[in-house]
Amino acid sequence: DGGITQSPKYLFRKEGQNVTLSCEQNLNHDAMYWYRQDPGQGLRLIYYSQIVNDFQKGDIAEGYSVSREKKESFPLTVTSAQKNPTAFYLCASSVRPGQVSTNEKLFFGSGTQLSVL
Amino acid sequence: AQSVTQLDSHVSVSEGTPVLLRCNYSSSYSPSLFWYVQHPNKGLQLLLKYTSAATLVKGINGFEAEFKKSETSFHLTKPSAHMSDAAEYFCVVSDLDFNKFYFGSGTKLNVKP
Repeated sequence: DGGITQSPKYLFRKEGQNVTLSCEQNLNHDAMYWYRQDPGQGLRLIYYSQIVNDFQKGDIAEGYSVSREKKESFPLTVTSAQKNPTAFYLCASSVRPGQVSTNEKLFFGSGTQLSVL
Repeated sequence: AQSVTQLDSHVSVSEGTPVLLRCNYSSSYSPSLFWYVQHPNKGLQLLLKYTSAATLVKGINGFEAEFKKSETSFHLTKPSAHMSDAAEYFCVVSDLDFNKFYFGSGTKLNVKP
């Protein structure tokens, strides 16, 4: 079945440590996104990528980094510079506008809960 | 610039009664609007979307929403709540030019037996 896979489901970070959250999709989508979810704040955009080898900062990119070396993969690294990393992280993908199917629906993974030890 | 305001952080209804979750948007463009639902510890699922076709949009699980340009609203409704509807609901506006999606802060729906 096509979809988005996030791993791990739960992740713990020690102070000063970098951790990487995995996001893989087999939907052949060009665009991929990382969101952070905190209670009462909805989803805030961290980074997004519209095409391989290109990505843009979202609204809260500080303390995070991403790469997009392959179309199907968009890993997110939470660096030690992110002082408040505890949150639920959601990866999403979509078809880019302008393609034959202008379906801008977002497909979401099941999320990763990151906590600080 | 695009933004979304969900007017209620929590809504509580009794099973079998109507549901109304309110959403107002701001958009510089003709917007595309969505409602997503998130059940505990799960990802988000699309309920319905509006993309400049019919203003009354029907979604899954008996939900529907009406796009009202004059009121800049896209409220989500359901005639009769079911216990399984208890979840958090997000209203979303997308900016097609930049392929970005803007989320509201969410409304938690509680359904009482």
